[in-house]
Amino acid sequence: SAVISQKPSRDICQRGTSLTIQCQVDSQVTMMFWYRQQPGQSLTLIATANQGSEATYESGFVIDKFPISRPNLTFSTLTVSNMSPEDSSIYLCSVETSLRVIQRNEQFFGPGTRLTVL
Amino acid sequence: GNSVTQMEGPVTLSEEAFLTINCTYTATGYPSLFWYVQYPGEGLQLLLKATKADDKGSNKGFEATYRKETTSFHLEKGSVQVSDSAVYFCALSYRQGAQKLVFGQGTRLTINP
Repeated sequence: SAVISQKPSRDICQRGTSLTIQCQVDSQVTMMFWYRQQPGQSLTLIATANQGSEATYESGFVIDKFPISRPNLTFSTLTVSNMSPEDSSIYLCSVETSLRVIQRNEQFFGPGTRLTVL
Repeated sequence: GNSVTQMEGPVTLSEEAFLTINCTYTATGYPSLFWYVQYPGEGLQLLLKATKADDKGSNKGFEATYRKETTSFHLEKGSVQVSDSAVYFCALSYRQGAQKLVFGQGTRLTINP
C-alpha cells in the first residue's frame, strides 16, 4: 500500500475564490486520481492526473474549473476555481501503486480535504 | 454503462447481529468488485475485493461473493461489533485507459452495544 497525505485537511472559502489541494504519496505510483464526495453522496471521479501531460477529465468536469497538475510520480494538485457553494465537498486523491496485473485495480485513498464554500 | 446500486441506509443493528448490505451492479465486460469502508473522521479504506465470478473476498470477518448470474456483491458479517460502525461503499472497476472506480451511494452502518 501507500501512505497518502493531503493538504489542507479542511478549509472554508469565500465564493469566487480558488483553492489548491495538494496530494503527496510516500512512494512513486503509477496512477493518481481525484474524486469528489458531495455531502451525503458517493464518490465521483473528477479526473486522472497524468504525469507530464494534461489530466484526463470525466464527463461533467472541465479543466478550467478543476485544473490539475502532476509534476512527478509522487505529487499532484487539484485546484477548485471560482468556487460556489455547490463546490462544497470532500475532495480525495487516490493512487494505484502496482504494475503487477493482479494488483493494478487496487486504489488507495488519501484522507480527503473537506471544503466549505460560503 | 457502469453503475453500482447499494442498499439504502442508514442501517442500525445491535452488537453480534448478522449483517447484510446488498450491492448490485451493471457493467460492460467483466469488472472487479470492491467494498470500501470509511470510518468516522477517516479516509476511505479498501475492505475486500473480488476480481472474477465466484471469487469470495474476505477481511476482518466480512465476506462478499462475486455473483455474475445475479450481478451482485453483497457484504456479510456474521457478528458485528460497535467498531464496525462506518459508511460502506460498494464499487466496481473498469478500464478506460486507466483503471477507474464507480461507487455506490454508500450505506451508513451503526452498531449499538
